[in-house]
Amino acid sequence: AQSVTQLDSHVSVSEGTPVLLRCNYSSSYSPSLFWYVQHPNKGLQLLLKYTSAATLVKGINGFEAEFKKSETSFHLTKPSAHMSDAAEYFCVVSDQLTGGGNKLTFGTGTQLKVEL
Amino acid sequence: NAGVTQTPKFRVLKTGQSMTLLCAQDMNHEYMYWYRQDPGMGLRLIHYSVGEGTTAKGEVPDGYNVSRLKKQNFLLGLESAAPSQTSVYFCASVKDLQGEQFFGPGTRLTVL
Repeated sequence: AQSVTQLDSHVSVSEGTPVLLRCNYSSSYSPSLFWYVQHPNKGLQLLLKYTSAATLVKGINGFEAEFKKSETSFHLTKPSAHMSDAAEYFCVVSDQLTGGGNKLTFGTGTQLKVEL
Repeated sequence: NAGVTQTPKFRVLKTGQSMTLLCAQDMNHEYMYWYRQDPGMGLRLIHYSVGEGTTAKGEVPDGYNVSRLKKQNFLLGLESAAPSQTSVYFCASVKDLQGEQFFGPGTRLTVL
């Protein structure tokens, strides 16, 4: 079974400084990987996804992630944090289910705090 | 397009009571999912459906049942609620295996 590990449960940055949220995955083959964001008391929104095309994936709101097979990593970055980026971020791997469909396996989440 | 909607948004139950959560999507998606979110655990798959009239178990199905009588609706039922089912429940749908899963806003359920 595939799995993801988010290495930091909480990250705190100052507004205007870079963001790095770390994710490692475990997979027996080339996976589909995603980053989702969840703002307080809201649903989940897709930031970006990797599906075996370009290894550097650009997403919404200035976020990007790089798939590194040799390191089994899919870290999320942003050059300059904004107050509105404060949220919980989930690294997710997609697995095919028996009988069809695909299952998303979520990491435990990283809470991003942005300070003035 | 309303996307994925969930009703109710909040509910408080007593142990042993039953209830049904409704998920509706207006995007003509084939696949629908029910997840639960608990602190520090991410989201876990309860049940899913690959099309109208089909359902299957996810990783945490015990204590829940589902039905997909219409393509646009996916119902999650709790026959006899337990405190361990206190959670936030999210429904999601996707058009095909390569697509993005769209999530509803969630239902916060408390079982006393």
